[in-house]
Amino acid sequence: EVKLAESGGGWVRPGRSLRLSCAASGFTFEDYAMHWVRQAPGKGLEWVSGISWNSGDIAYADSVKGRFTISRENAKNSLYLEMISLRPEDTALYYCAKDPQGTMVDPYFFDYWGQGALVTVSA
Amino acid sequence: SYELTQPPSVSVSPGQTARITCSGDALAKHYTHWYQQKPGQAPLLIIFNDRERPSGIPKRFSGSSSGTTVTLTISGVQAEDEGDYYCQSTDSTASHYVFGTGTKVTVL
Repeated sequence: EVKLAESGGGWVRPGRSLRLSCAASGFTFEDYAMHWVRQAPGKGLEWVSGISWNSGDIAYADSVKGRFTISRENAKNSLYLEMISLRPEDTALYYCAKDPQGTMVDPYFFDYWGQGALVTVSA
Repeated sequence: SYELTQPPSVSVSPGQTARITCSGDALAKHYTHWYQQKPGQAPLLIIFNDRERPSGIPKRFSGSSSGTTVTLTISGVQAEDEGDYYCQSTDSTASHYVFGTGTKVTVL
């Protein structure tokens, strides 16, 4: 059974940093691309970032480019999201999501999701 | 920025058919996928590649595509189908993943 478990969420002041982690199990983690998708309270889904199986291809949404860094550690079956210069508009539930392929190519979608980690940015 | 447009809400009686549309200029060139999200839960993939169902998804969920509009159809709606539904694809440059605005399905 595929399981994705996010951790590292919490409350931070604007301008501060936070690092999210996602522990994967139930599949061969190193074979698949992975993503972060967020959902602000009461709002829709927004793709944040994706990384290919070998970290050779990385992409970001324009809204986080230059502030967020995605990475993975295949030996530990783990995905990370380093977030700096956080803004109130970054407040959201951050989901870790699995790609059905190893690279970010068409068709682009997410076949498994974690339960999310809540990040709150406020003064 | 590129957007996928969905109706905000759809209401349907049990046993009837619900149809949710998703429109976007690039949908004619790229596959569309659908997710169901119930309150307090993570999204669940219910349709991929316009019309394919993952294992375990009931047959009453189906997808179709015509040009720049794709449609999710729920035939014989059940009370458990209440929730938010999102379409998802990529933009014209295939550089970003894009979600639709979301549709709240209410079973009357």
